[in-house]
Amino acid sequence: NAGVMQNPRHLVRRRGQEARLRCSPMKGHSHVYWYRQLPEEGLKFMVYLQKENIIDESGMPKERFSAEFPKEGPSILRIQQVVRGDSAAYFCASSPTTGQGSDEQYFGPGTRLTVT
Amino acid sequence: SQQGEEDPQALSIQEGENATMNCSYKTSINNLQWYRQNSGRGLVHLILIRSNEREKHSGRLRVTLDTSKKSSSLLITASRAADTASYFCATDKGGSYIPTFGRGTSLIVHP
Repeated sequence: NAGVMQNPRHLVRRRGQEARLRCSPMKGHSHVYWYRQLPEEGLKFMVYLQKENIIDESGMPKERFSAEFPKEGPSILRIQQVVRGDSAAYFCASSPTTGQGSDEQYFGPGTRLTVT
Repeated sequence: SQQGEEDPQALSIQEGENATMNCSYKTSINNLQWYRQNSGRGLVHLILIRSNEREKHSGRLRVTLDTSKKSSSLLITASRAADTASYFCATDKGGSYIPTFGRGTSLIVHP
């Protein structure tokens, strides 16, 4: 059973370009979470999605950021017109269910975005 | 501020010693989780402890939870160099499905 897969692992973009980060959850998992991590920091929640639905995007910047999790295919985190401050590691996690409180999450290896 | 805050920020020990990390939180929780992150990698889930549990074990790991003090501890016994990593606690907020992570404790185990 393959784990959570993210690609690309490293992405370099110039300011103003678009960045697309992909996440394939573990088989059988229908819940996907995206987090951002700055150096020496913890993970900051961005968005929680189920298939074809955004459940909670309270951690997403209001502009330039969007996320989707289509019926078929991976979840996509899209950053338009990137700026240097977007440089960070972006992690995706999946979980099978949401029981009482948060469930154990399985993390991907992350995408390291560098904006030059 | 963070829901979960780990303490200490950094810990350096010799192989074979025990390592203890603490996590404090502010609001009531349903469960608390500990994760490990090796440098440049994703997080790996270690243990989940529910609010009605006081202690859990997994191999060399021992987690305690004191809901009256809103704190948890992670003990790694007989540490190994391979335990070198950052350790994070994650708490929900009384029913929230979104875990909130602290800044982590950086553990270095010297061989």
